[in-house]
Amino acid sequence: DIQMTQSPSSLSASVGDRVTITCRASQSISNDLNWYQQKPGKAPKLLIYAASSLQSGVPSRFSGSGSGTDFTLTISSLQPEDFATYYCQQSYSTPSITFGQGTRLEIK
Amino acid sequence: QVQLQESGPGLVKPSQTLSLTCTVSGGSISSGSYYWNWIRQPAGKGLEWIGRSYASGSTNYNPSLKSRVTISVDTSKNQFSLKLSSVTAADTAVYYCARCIEVVHPLRGVLEYMDVWGKGTTVTVSS
Repeated sequence: DIQMTQSPSSLSASVGDRVTITCRASQSISNDLNWYQQKPGKAPKLLIYAASSLQSGVPSRFSGSGSGTDFTLTISSLQPEDFATYYCQQSYSTPSITFGQGTRLEIK
Repeated sequence: QVQLQESGPGLVKPSQTLSLTCTVSGGSISSGSYYWNWIRQPAGKGLEWIGRSYASGSTNYNPSLKSRVTISVDTSKNQFSLKLSSVTAADTAVYYCARCIEVVHPLRGVLEYMDVWGKGTTVTVSS
């Protein structure tokens, strides 16, 4: 199985901050990496697919980069509605997909 | 737009079979290049992929759950279902259904991502 490791596990930041979340794969996954946002009591929401493609309707302050084993999700200027948990997910070894453990983004 | 809605018992006894259904509205379960997935999330924990089915009925399962899982599609009802047998307290979780789209990109190859999710349903395993 391909293991996905996110860092940090939790993060405190302020509105307006630039924030970066990292996801590392246990082996190369090309650019088969997706990012999701989950708010408490809600389903995950797709933000970024194929490492860097912004899902329709997602604000442009969200961006993704990386390939191979190392990936990042960047929020350029945090908004109040961005405080949530973020998950990466690899689709390289489809159908056996796996998620990272999540990064909880909290208000400082 | 396409919406998904999970339904089923919220309480299941240990050793019994958990059964959930996901109803697809706003589109046909048979159209397009989609896989229909089940994912679960224990309280306070991360996401675990359970398995998926194509509209044709071909399925794939998480190896760790494969011996207990069955996913099926009913195109006449525009629904797909999950059955998880021999449940224990460890199967207590929020269960989500989700659509995975498969896109063939001319430069980047086959892309797969889950673009539509149900709201989730909580299943508790307890006697």
